[in-house]
Amino acid sequence: GQQVMQIPQYQHVQEGEDFTTYCNSSTTLSNIQWYKQRPGGHPVFLIQLVKSGEVKKQKRLTFQFGEAKKNSSLHITATQTTDVGTYFCSASYIPTFGRGTSLIVHP
Amino acid sequence: DTEVTQTPKHLVMGMTNKKSLKCEQHMGHRAMYWYKQKAKKPPELMFVYSYEKLSINESVPSRFSPECPNSSLLNLHLHALQPEDSALYLCASSQVEGLASSTDTQYFGPGTRLTVL
Repeated sequence: GQQVMQIPQYQHVQEGEDFTTYCNSSTTLSNIQWYKQRPGGHPVFLIQLVKSGEVKKQKRLTFQFGEAKKNSSLHITATQTTDVGTYFCSASYIPTFGRGTSLIVHP
Repeated sequence: DTEVTQTPKHLVMGMTNKKSLKCEQHMGHRAMYWYKQKAKKPPELMFVYSYEKLSINESVPSRFSPECPNSSLLNLHLHALQPEDSALYLCASSQVEGLASSTDTQYFGPGTRLTVL
């Protein structure tokens, strides 16, 4: 089945620093979705990207979909302790999640 | 209402027990999903129901038996589980099942944390 590779697996930042996680696919994706899972919680939908080169913003979060629709990124500006959690990308007809990037924010 | 509910929140069962997990949504979604999630791992798809019919079974052992009584409800019947089946079981729903090469936004329930002794 289709695979999405996500890096890094973990990221430690000081509060106020920026954070980026990346998802890559060997095949062209129709769309990609991003989810956030807080510790002890369940995945919560953040956004869906559909168009080549698409960029969407949600406050301090910026989501990008590559021109070739094979990669995507999530960037958080000036992280806060409330950003702590694991961020997953998801793609393909049979929903496949990347392994996730766990963000740890040190106050 | 964008809520997916799951019961119970926690379940402890022995290897000889039979139990069921329940999931409910009232968003009019026609696709429902069961996932298994182990600690520090992504959710792994188990089953997909589309318009109340099983459309995807990701080679799940027969000790897990899904059921979709109607468009709002999804059950997962458990029998003769193994300790390695202990995990968080997540239910999700979406408007429709993803078409070929696409997928639809999924709304997840809070999960049932299952421990098999």
